[in-house]
Amino acid sequence: GENVEQHPSTLSVQEGDSAVIKCTYSDSASNYFPWYKQELGKGPQLIIDIRSNVGEKKDQRIAVTLNKTAKHFSLHITETQPEDSAVYFCAASIVSGGYNKLIFGAGTRLAVHP
Amino acid sequence: GAGVSQSPSNKVTEKGKDVELRCDPISGHTALYWYRQSLGQGLEFLIYFQGNSAPDKSGLPSDRFSAERTGGSVSTLTIQRTQQEDSAVYLCASSAPGQGGTEAFFGQGTRLTVV
Repeated sequence: GENVEQHPSTLSVQEGDSAVIKCTYSDSASNYFPWYKQELGKGPQLIIDIRSNVGEKKDQRIAVTLNKTAKHFSLHITETQPEDSAVYFCAASIVSGGYNKLIFGAGTRLAVHP
Repeated sequence: GAGVSQSPSNKVTEKGKDVELRCDPISGHTALYWYRQSLGQGLEFLIYFQGNSAPDKSGLPSDRFSAERTGGSVSTLTIQRTQQEDSAVYLCASSAPGQGGTEAFFGQGTRLTVV
């Protein structure tokens, strides 16, 4: 069935370094790929998303790349800051029952050390 | 309201009791999702609504769990005869209609503790 795998499960970096989180999906019909950030005690919030008609999207220190052939997409955070510490979830939109449904990866706990 | 609203924010209940969790999605959002998040874990899909119907309820863990949505708006997740393993944060999200998927907006969640 539909599946989204996310790696790594935990990531620890020094402030100023880059962080990369990778996801793979199984449904080749997926065409919408959002990334969410969840801070402690809060619901996940969208930070960036990409559709299948583009290969890369950037927003300041955050970028997402998509390889539809290989069915994987990645989140890149440059010049990390302590406030980037959170759990990050990737997701892929799949068709279910004639509608689009979001399937989430298991999450990556990012720790940025000063 | 401006965002997805969930109530209560916290619920402590005794084992064996029934609980109802409520979700008020953003107005006009046709899709509504329920997820469960255990401590330090990922998002476990429970059920998905389009309008008032649930094309996918494959994630409901047992027949003690049920959900409904009325008027294409408010949804209620009911857990009957709660067990300690039901303790988790229950998150609701909604999204607008659109081709190929659209952003899902999450509520703050309901933290359920079964004692």
